[in-house]
Amino acid sequence: NAGVMQNPRHLVRRRGQEARLRCSPMKGHSHVYWYRQLPEEGLKFMVYLQKENIIDESGMPKERFSAEFPKEGPSILRIQQVVRGDSAAYFCASSPPDRNTGELFFGEGSRLTVL
Amino acid sequence: GQNIDQPTEMTATEGAIVQINCTYQTSGFNGLFWYQQHAGEAPTFLSYNVLDGLEEKGRFSSFLSRSKGYSYLLLKELQMKDSASYLCAVMDSNYQLIWGAGTKLIIKP
Repeated sequence: NAGVMQNPRHLVRRRGQEARLRCSPMKGHSHVYWYRQLPEEGLKFMVYLQKENIIDESGMPKERFSAEFPKEGPSILRIQQVVRGDSAAYFCASSPPDRNTGELFFGEGSRLTVL
Repeated sequence: GQNIDQPTEMTATEGAIVQINCTYQTSGFNGLFWYQQHAGEAPTFLSYNVLDGLEEKGRFSSFLSRSKGYSYLLLKELQMKDSASYLCAVMDSNYQLIWGAGTKLIIKP
């Protein structure tokens, strides 16, 4: 029973390039969350998605960032025209349909470094 | 605004007991979670409290007082592998998790 799968684990981009981070939730999970974590800081909520729907994107920067969770395939967090401040660990988490339990299952994270 | 406060860093000795506190102010309350995160790894679930009182799970216990907006995580018989960050998170009225910045626990021999 595979857990939450994220790839790539490490990504290096130059300023102005695009970064695409992928997340496959646990089997049977229909809710996906993206978080950003800077070194020595806590998790910052970015976006909550269900299949083909963005439920809550209140934590997403207004520009350059977008997320999707298509009917088929993984969820994707896309960062256009990356800047050095985008360097962080991006964690994806999933939860089962009954999200009232609140327990999230996290992927290993994707570490983005912008040169 | 919504706020979760926990100490930035704590140090304890192997074999001892340590208590990590968390206070919160959120719009609504649907439970409080503790997660453990080792450096460079994903957070893993430790405990969930929604009613007042103490929940014990092996060497780890978690306490909640909703009237005081307060929780603590108690770790007994500390082991070196317990060195990690401990994250407090509260689920608000919209079932969204609000995260604290984490407490880095350093265990010394």
